[in-house]
Amino acid sequence: AQSVTQLDSQVPVFEEAPVELRCNYSSSVSVYLFWYVQYPNQGLQLLLKYLSGSTLVKGINGFEAEFNKSQTSFHLRKPSVHISDTAEYFCAVTLAGGFKTIFGAGTRLFVKA
Amino acid sequence: NAGVMQNPRHLVRRRGQEARLRCSPMKGHSHVYWYRQLPEEGLKFMVYLQKENIIDESGMPKERFSAEFPKEGPSILRIQQVVRGDSAAYFCASSPPGQGGTSTQYFGPGTRLTVL
Repeated sequence: AQSVTQLDSQVPVFEEAPVELRCNYSSSVSVYLFWYVQYPNQGLQLLLKYLSGSTLVKGINGFEAEFNKSQTSFHLRKPSVHISDTAEYFCAVTLAGGFKTIFGAGTRLFVKA
Repeated sequence: NAGVMQNPRHLVRRRGQEARLRCSPMKGHSHVYWYRQLPEEGLKFMVYLQKENIIDESGMPKERFSAEFPKEGPSILRIQQVVRGDSAAYFCASSPPGQGGTSTQYFGPGTRLTVL
């Protein structure tokens, strides 16, 4: 069975500092990997996704993530965060050829002035 | 192009009542997914539907829960005889046809169900 682990439930960080949100997954077959952001009282919005090819994926709002197959990780990074990045971030996997998406428990990013 | 619409945004029911949650996918999208989010938890997959077909309902509780996506009209998630443990946010997402698991899912704002 597939699973997604987000290693940090909360990440406080000061404005303009770099941040990394960690995500590990387990699967015996190929997967597609996604990061979504959820602002308070809203639905999820796609930040970026990895399907194939280059392991470094760039997304919206200055975020990027790197797929590491040997470590089964897909960590999300941003070199300089803003107050407006305060939100909950979800890592997710979908089996290649499938439709069912498994979400991690989420990481709450809190950016302080 | 309007996004995914869900209504109502907030729904309060007493134990034993029925809850009906509606989801209108984005224009041109024929795939609908339902997820449940409990407080302090991530989204849990419930069901994946295409027009008039349930493709994968492996995340649906065996009793009291059902979903449909008719040829015309919104997708409906129905919860019969609600219990307090059903209190959660229910999110709907849609995706366009033909892209399989690579599709980006577009999420609605959710329906927050409270069972008294």
